[in-house]
Amino acid sequence: AQSVAQPEDQVNVAEGNPLTVKCTYSVSGNPYLFWYVQYPNRGLQFLLKYITGDNLVKGSYGFEAEFNKSQTSFHLKKPSALVSDSALYFCAVRAGNTNAGKSTFGDGTTLTVKP
Amino acid sequence: SAVISQKPSRDICQRGTSLTIQCQVDSQVTMMFWYRQQPGQSLTLIATANQGSEATYESGFVIDKFPISRPNLTFSTLTVSNMSPEDSSIYLCSVGREVYNEQFFGPGTRLTVL
Repeated sequence: AQSVAQPEDQVNVAEGNPLTVKCTYSVSGNPYLFWYVQYPNRGLQFLLKYITGDNLVKGSYGFEAEFNKSQTSFHLKKPSALVSDSALYFCAVRAGNTNAGKSTFGDGTTLTVKP
Repeated sequence: SAVISQKPSRDICQRGTSLTIQCQVDSQVTMMFWYRQQPGQSLTLIATANQGSEATYESGFVIDKFPISRPNLTFSTLTVSNMSPEDSSIYLCSVGREVYNEQFFGPGTRLTVL
């Protein structure tokens, strides 16, 4: 079985400050990890992924995430938040030997960036 | 990336009726999936739409309630049958590109059942 935990329902930051959206996971075997963003009334957009290689992964819109195997975490970060980053963020995991549709998604974290 | 469109974008339906949602992809893809996102909740995989064969359903979802068609590599439909208010959700089509280990989502169909 695989699972994802996003411990914070809501994250509030001021524009220009760094942001972190937390994610921890559980999976059998090598984890494939993903972050998606969902803007109001729109579908999910892919932000970044970790499959193998460097633990620090860079993605779209200046976001990055760090894979930490010992802590089974994959926190999403951005050095300087923008108001336009306000959205719902989902972390997802799947085992490396499963197909692309078998990802398990977290419950989502609503990020609000205030001017 | 893959460009995915869904029709309708939203609908309001009466209890006991059925709605068919269409998903069109701009390129041929092997893997297509249907998800449900209930209000305030995460995504749940309903089924994998297989081209040329019956869809593969996840636990808790059955073909009679959610029949799926996949006539070719760029198109699929999901029907929500005999709807009840509990079926009110966003239904998302998704495609996977195994080579890139990526998954792309359509804009979703927001369904409200009265």
